[in-house]
Amino acid sequence: EAGVAQSPRYKIIEKRQSVAFWCNPISGHATLYWYQQILGQGPKLLIQFQNNGVVDDSQLPKDRFSAERLKGVDSTLKIQPAKLEDSAVYLCASSLGGEVYNEQFFGPGTRLTVL
Amino acid sequence: AQSVTQPDIHITVSEGASLELRCNYSYGATPYLFWYVQSPGQGLQLLLKYFSGDTLVQGIKGFEAEFKRSQSSFNLRKPSVHWSDAAEYFCAVARSGGSYIPTFGRGTSLIVHP
Repeated sequence: EAGVAQSPRYKIIEKRQSVAFWCNPISGHATLYWYQQILGQGPKLLIQFQNNGVVDDSQLPKDRFSAERLKGVDSTLKIQPAKLEDSAVYLCASSLGGEVYNEQFFGPGTRLTVL
Repeated sequence: AQSVTQPDIHITVSEGASLELRCNYSYGATPYLFWYVQSPGQGLQLLLKYFSGDTLVQGIKGFEAEFKRSQSSFNLRKPSVHWSDAAEYFCAVARSGGSYIPTFGRGTSLIVHP
């Protein structure tokens, strides 16, 4: 079974530029999550999708971050414009459903460096 | 709101020695508790979880954890560490009921000496 795929694996941009990350979840997984992991910290949930609807985006900085999952499968996370403090690893995860007993499976992440 | 404290940033053990990683949580009711492992360049992998019932939980790769309500702790243990266990370990807590919104600790980096 293929795991969660993310691309690119690494991205370096200058502040005020835009960047987008892509995630393809495990086939059949209805729930998709985006996390931000700053160096030295644990992952922080940015947004949770159930199919193509948003379940929780309370920690997403909506002035610069946006995410979509238009067809309920793959998802894109965008930052526009980027700030220095956005340097982090962005992790995507998926699960069969959003209930706590459904294990989340994580992708390898995209490491973003903002100069 | 729930929170997690992992008091040890780094832990160094010798291969074959026993291991205990500490995790303390803050939550008003009975929480859901998790331990994840993250190897360099990899995503997180679930080691084990506690929802209810037996307070000693067995996980993958020979790990176990014990939920102690009186101490608000969920420490991870392994009787004999292998060099391949070197990684970052994260404890997480989620509130009971509703959708799964986990809060992660900052992680403990495990270094294994030969």
